[in-house]
Amino acid sequence: AQSVTQPDIHITVSEGASLELRCNYSYGATPYLFWYVQSPGQGLQLLLKYFSGDTLVQGIKGFEAEFKRSQSSFNLRKPSVHWSDAAEYFCAVGNTGGFKTIFGAGTRLFVKA
Amino acid sequence: GAVVSQHPSRVICKSGTSVKIECRSLDFQATTMFWYRQFPKQSLMLMATSNEGSKATYEQGVEKDKFLINHASLTLSTLTVTSAHPEDSSFYICSALGSEQYFGPGTRLTVT
Repeated sequence: AQSVTQPDIHITVSEGASLELRCNYSYGATPYLFWYVQSPGQGLQLLLKYFSGDTLVQGIKGFEAEFKRSQSSFNLRKPSVHWSDAAEYFCAVGNTGGFKTIFGAGTRLFVKA
Repeated sequence: GAVVSQHPSRVICKSGTSVKIECRSLDFQATTMFWYRQFPKQSLMLMATSNEGSKATYEQGVEKDKFLINHASLTLSTLTVTSAHPEDSSFYICSALGSEQYFGPGTRLTVT
């Protein structure tokens, strides 16, 4: 069955520190992978996506993610976190064009001064 | 970037009444829109896929007679929760498919 696991319910990092949010997936075929961010009262914003090609994907706001097929992982990283990055982050897997997207449970990021 | 709006942003209704939520793509046409439900501190669960001019496709376990979806134009899809009950209280999010999925800001439904 297709699934997405985000092991960390919440993470707290200091401003300026590096960040890694974990995501593991289970998918029968080559996955289309996404990371979204959701701020309170706002919709989901696409940070980055992986369809094929280079396994290290650059996204908006300084985020990047690396697809590791052998580990079924697609972890999100940022070298230096800003206070404005505090939000809920969702990893998702889908098929062509984002249809039938399956979301992970989300990881809440807290940023401390 | 593309924008998707939802109205209302929050609504409180009494048990047994119906409530309609609108989802609009503001600067692009969307043949396909999606409706999701998000429980507190949980992920988004796809409820149904809405295609303009045809019947919506519901996910397993979603009652189509309770959650009525209409996609009458390329910029508007509506979700009507009929005979609402407290357990229908949730955060409902729509998305519209353009060059990618664009998500609306969500509607908080509280049924008292």
